[in-house]
Amino acid sequence: DTGVSQNPRHKITKRGQNVTFRCDPISEHNRLYWYRQTLGQGPEFLTYFQNEAQLEKSRLLSDRFSAERPKGSFSTLEIQRTEQGDSAMYLCASSKEDRGFGNQPQHFGDGTRLSIL
Amino acid sequence: KNQVEQSPQSLIILEGKNCTLQCNYTVSPFSNLRWYKQDTGRGPVSLTIMTFSENTKSNGRYTATLDADTKQSSLHITASQLSDSASYICVVSGVWGKLQFGAGTQVVVTP
Repeated sequence: DTGVSQNPRHKITKRGQNVTFRCDPISEHNRLYWYRQTLGQGPEFLTYFQNEAQLEKSRLLSDRFSAERPKGSFSTLEIQRTEQGDSAMYLCASSKEDRGFGNQPQHFGDGTRLSIL
Repeated sequence: KNQVEQSPQSLIILEGKNCTLQCNYTVSPFSNLRWYKQDTGRGPVSLTIMTFSENTKSNGRYTATLDADTKQSSLHITASQLSDSASYICVVSGVWGKLQFGAGTQVVVTP
């Protein structure tokens, strides 16, 4: 299966620690998205890349959050000085390039569940 | 205020029965509407995608409808199975590809 792969699947850490998640998109997809999902809610957009360029960031992405996609393939999402409110599922999705009409389906990974102690 | 509202928040149905989930949206301009199924602890999986010119789309026992005039969509599940227990998320895409997610309807199918 060459779907979107995320790791780790689960991360438990103490408040104040830094964490990094990785996402490997579907190989021919040049768009990559990060979302955050809390219990009972739909995913919330964080940021997205087209190839290696980060084209949009949500206001939810505070300065403690940083995302990279250095070679236009895999991406990492880092959270510095974690807080209790960061506990959530972090989802990655990828899609083919969208010509501006939003018709390309996004394929999601199974997420990384972050728990802050 | 969320631009995509789903109802009911949750529902319980007996195996073999049908059910219908609702989605109302205010996203404008509108490009397409998608329904995703999300199993517990997994990522969402696409069920259907409809552009503004389509008013129905089926995927097996799942049938989605869209009324772009009233900005309403529904997802109908026929002859429910235990494996249909999941959260069903309505997602609306604006013209420039920005997705707006509903909070989902949690469906529990009981034997």
